[in-house]
Amino acid sequence: EVQLLESGGGWVQPGGSLRLSCEGSGFTFSYYAMTWVRQVPGKGLEWVSAITGAGTRTYFADFVQGRFTISRDNSRNTLYLQMNSLRAEDTAVYHCVRDRHQEVNWYFDLWGRGTLVSVSS
Amino acid sequence: QSALTQPPSASGSPGQSVTISCTGTSSDVGGYYYVSWYQHHPGRVPKLLIYEVTKRPSGVPDRFSASKSGNTASLTVSGLQAEDEADYFCSSYAGDKKYVIFGGGTKLTVL
Repeated sequence: EVQLLESGGGWVQPGGSLRLSCEGSGFTFSYYAMTWVRQVPGKGLEWVSAITGAGTRTYFADFVQGRFTISRDNSRNTLYLQMNSLRAEDTAVYHCVRDRHQEVNWYFDLWGRGTLVSVSS
Repeated sequence: QSALTQPPSASGSPGQSVTISCTGTSSDVGGYYYVSWYQHHPGRVPKLLIYEVTKRPSGVPDRFSASKSGNTASLTVSGLQAEDEADYFCSSYAGDKKYVIFGGGTKLTVL
């Protein structure tokens, strides 16, 4: 089955760190750019970060401000999001999504169910 | 408040057509041909319906069509069926700072 499965979410205090993972299965992972999208409770979707299929180019939303790093290990079919200096406003469900191409094309043909990140003291 | 504006709800009877709008600015919807539409049934993951304004991925029925005029994109669902009842949201590329922005979603009810 073609799917994406996120993990690594949880509760963390402000200023803390978390690393999210997303394992892809049922498709050739390296053929596709990947993106993290988040949904803040009660609000809309926010694009967070993207990485090309080869992992050679990355993109970040302004609000990340150097706090997050996106990476991938194609040998493990896994996408990562390292989140540092977390803030309360980073509280959201983080979804891993697949782009249609190896280069980032800004639309997503496969979504994961998401992992909840909760930042509070 | 979402970056792209969609009506919160829409409805139609089986067999009818319904159009959902997605309004942005010249810096996103109006400026690029990277508008996409998604269908989201509760409890499932979103499904890509339309990409690059008008293109349908394989497997998406041609009852789903889309267009763009100025800063507003539109999704039309023709020949409404019960299974079309879902949330629909749009997204658009928004340049090198924002990259991708989303609409707040429209709940489509099949009466």
